[in-house]
Amino acid sequence: EIVMTQSPATLSVSPGERATLSCRASQSVGSKLAWYQQKPGQAPRLLIYGGSTRATGIPARFSASGYGTEFSLTISSLQPEDFAVYYCQQYNNWPPGQFGQGTKVEIK
Amino acid sequence: EVQLVESGGDLVQPGGSLRLSCAASGFTLRSCAMSWVRQAPRKGLEWVSTLSDSGTTTYYADSVKGRFTISRDNSKNTLYLQIDSLRAEDTATYFCARLSGGSGFDYVNDWGQGTLVTVSS
Repeated sequence: EIVMTQSPATLSVSPGERATLSCRASQSVGSKLAWYQQKPGQAPRLLIYGGSTRATGIPARFSASGYGTEFSLTISSLQPEDFAVYYCQQYNNWPPGQFGQGTKVEIK
Repeated sequence: EVQLVESGGDLVQPGGSLRLSCAASGFTLRSCAMSWVRQAPRKGLEWVSTLSDSGTTTYYADSVKGRFTISRDNSKNTLYLQIDSLRAEDTATYFCARLSGGSGFDYVNDWGQGTLVTVSS
């Protein structure tokens, strides 16, 4: 069974600064990795799929890269609405919807 | 516009049963795979189960296999999750999710708002 590991668990960043989140898979997932954002009391929202493709309506300050087992999500200049929890999810291997444990981006 | 509206969450005693529903609109359930994802209080997201677009293939997390059953009613365009032999660790908000493809090995395009299941005596 594949394991998805995100780091760090918490990232403290000031508004306007850059944030980089990491996601590692225990086995290769190719480019089949998605990123989601979740705010308190809300459902998650799709940000990125295919490792690096922004979903519809996602601002250009969100970018992602990676392939195989190492992935990253970068928020170039944090806006107040970006403080949230971010999850990666692989959809290549069993189990089909395995998530990472999440990275909380908080205001420094 | 795609909409997913979950219902059926409740306070249930350990060992009890519950059926969650997800009413879909803006698309037909036969056009894509669908999943249930849960989130325990103050915890992360956990994939629970997936139904393929054909309705013939199902997947379950080991933690729920044998106790949960995913299904759908095409005439009502509604997805279900039958939950039996409930345990305290099943306490969570359950999200209905529309996947990007039909096989089940797909990312989540759309999410419902969730329905809360609480297992407690």
